[in-house]
This record gives sequence, C-alpha cells and structure tokens, in this order.
Amino acid sequence: DTEVTQTPKHLVMGMTNKKSLKCEQHMGHRAMYWYKQKAKKPPELMFVYSYEKLSINESVPSRFSPECPNSSLLNLHLHALQPEDSALYLCASSQGRGGARDEQYFGPGTRLTVT
Amino acid sequence: AQKVTQAQTEISVVEKEDVTLDCVYETRDTTYYLFWYKQPPSGELVFLIRRNSFDEQNEISGRYSWNFQKSTSSFNFTITASQVVDSAVYFCALSEAGSNYQLIWGAGTKLIIKP
Repeated sequence: DTEVTQTPKHLVMGMTNKKSLKCEQHMGHRAMYWYKQKAKKPPELMFVYSYEKLSINESVPSRFSPECPNSSLLNLHLHALQPEDSALYLCASSQGRGGARDEQYFGPGTRLTVT
Repeated sequence: AQKVTQAQTEISVVEKEDVTLDCVYETRDTTYYLFWYKQPPSGELVFLIRRNSFDEQNEISGRYSWNFQKSTSSFNFTITASQVVDSAVYFCALSEAGSNYQLIWGAGTKLIIKP
C-alpha cells in the first residue's frame, strides 16, 4: 500500500486562527516531510523528520510548527499565518534508510487559503 | 552548485504523438540520484523513476522511457503514443549522496495532451 493520506483537503483560515494539518502513512517509512508548493512552482522543502526526530528545518517561520507523534503520523500546526502562506501543503514519506537515494511518496496535499 | 534545468515550460501535443521532456542537471558529486515525478491537476506528486549516477542503462516502462546520459548531464523522459491522461506537470529532481533527503527540483514542464 503506497499511500500517504492528508487531511483536510481544503482549509480556509483567518490570520488569527490556529489549525493543524495531518498526514499519515502506513508503509513503514521512517522519514516524513512537509513541503509548501505555490502555483506553477516546484515544491519547497519545509521540514524533514527522520526516525521521529526533526532532521531538517529549512528556516521556516515559527508560525509553522511541525510535530511527529509517531513514525506513521506527521502534523503541521499553523498559527497567525499570513495571506502569502496560502499554498498547497504536501506531505511525503520515504524509507529513510538511504536519505538522498530514497524516492519520496506524496500525499494529495492540503490546499490552504489564509484570509 | 547543484541545479536542474527543465527548459520546456509547456508542451502541447495531440494525442498519440510521442513527446520528450528534457532535463539537464549540474552537480559536482560523483554519486547522485535523479528522479522524475508527475503532478496531475489533482495535485498529488507521483513518483515515476529513480536513477543513480552509476547506472546509465535506459529504462522503459510501458509507454514511458528514460534516457540517462552522463556525458551531456541529461535525463530525458519520453512518452510514446501520448494519452490525455498523461496531461500533467512533470518535475525532474536531483539529490546528491551527501545531501540527506534534500531534492533539487527543476521548474517543471507542463504537458498538455489534446484529444
């Protein structure tokens, strides 16, 4: 089962709201990622968790807060976002053993609109 | 510096035509990995293929084929007898052995297959 699920599919939030994006995989992968993708651009890496530890934080503003409760779950907590944060947020996972050589499997994304 | 160039921003062909998507990369590493991903309008990125720098064998999977040439630093993707379902944005990406989960993405090529 090569599936990564993400909820919600769509999210509209005000700049003062707090919300969370959720991601789940059951492939036994040990690396999980958050990406941000703006229209007509490639994905931009935000965070990587490897074996449930934060491995990479690409200088993401603190209004984005990742959490990895266990090896299957990844959350992204959102607080005090700006309209420019509106984008498609993609979760991905990979086996995690090979780092650079592992292919990543992506979820369908959450389309976030900040009003 | 590492870089991936997909010079074709958009390609439009009629169904059943063959089409080649170009990908040129730059890296100083001798060990690296190349990937192709497909992103249909639904938004989910789908892994298509991974190639490592030591394997220059061309790959064929059904109507899809890939031509990896280290001499020209290219990893081109050909779709034979294109179908409307092939319409998507296709991304080429590079990771270097020491990069630890980081992918360098090309800008993507939007492929439109007209019926």
